Amino acid sequence: KAGVTQTPRYLIKTRGQQVTLSCSPISGHRSVSWYQQTPGQGLQFLFEYFSETQRNKGNFPGRFSGRQFSNSRSEMNVSTLELGDSALYLCASRGQRIGSTEAFFGQGTRLTVV
Amino acid sequence: SQQGEEDPQALSIQEGENATMNCSYKTSINNLQWYRQNSGRGLVHLILIRSNEREKHSGRLRVTLDTSKKSSSLLITASRAADTASYFCALGNDQKLVFGQGTRLTINP
Repeated sequence: KAGVTQTPRYLIKTRGQQVTLSCSPISGHRSVSWYQQTPGQGLQFLFEYFSETQRNKGNFPGRFSGRQFSNSRSEMNVSTLELGDSALYLCASRGQRIGSTEAFFGQGTRLTVV
Repeated sequence: SQQGEEDPQALSIQEGENATMNCSYKTSINNLQWYRQNSGRGLVHLILIRSNEREKHSGRLRVTLDTSKKSSSLLITASRAADTASYFCALGNDQKLVFGQGTRLTINP
């Protein structure tokens, strides 16, 4: 069974630009969650999608958005990039609602904003 | 705070020794999970303990949960160089999985 796939693995963007990250969950998993990891703030929850609906959202500005498609693949978009958005973005998939059973993580997308 | 607080932040031990990491929290939980992360890569699930359980084992890992004290500990026995990583506790409830800041474990050969 293939694991969680995140693309791209590395990305360099300029301030003010926007970026779209992609996550393909494990086949059959309907829940996808996104996390931002930085040295200062640690792992912070961005949002969770389940069956194409956003079910939960963390405390991030509206510049951070996401969506989930009918095949459970998810995308995360960050508009008007700021230097502070430089981070490792991780997505995790689960069969059911996040928090009840284990989450399977992708390798992450390392975003650098210059 | 909804997240767990881990202690210590960093731990350095000799290969073969046991490593113990602790996680304290303030909210109610359905379960508590431990994850490992190697050098800024993805997290790997290690073990899940439910709120009605007190202890779980998986290989060299032993996790305890004390809901009255709102704390959990992860014990890695007979440590190996490959155990060098960051370890995170995560609080699970119906809404989301919230991670602590992690413990950086270094195993010295």
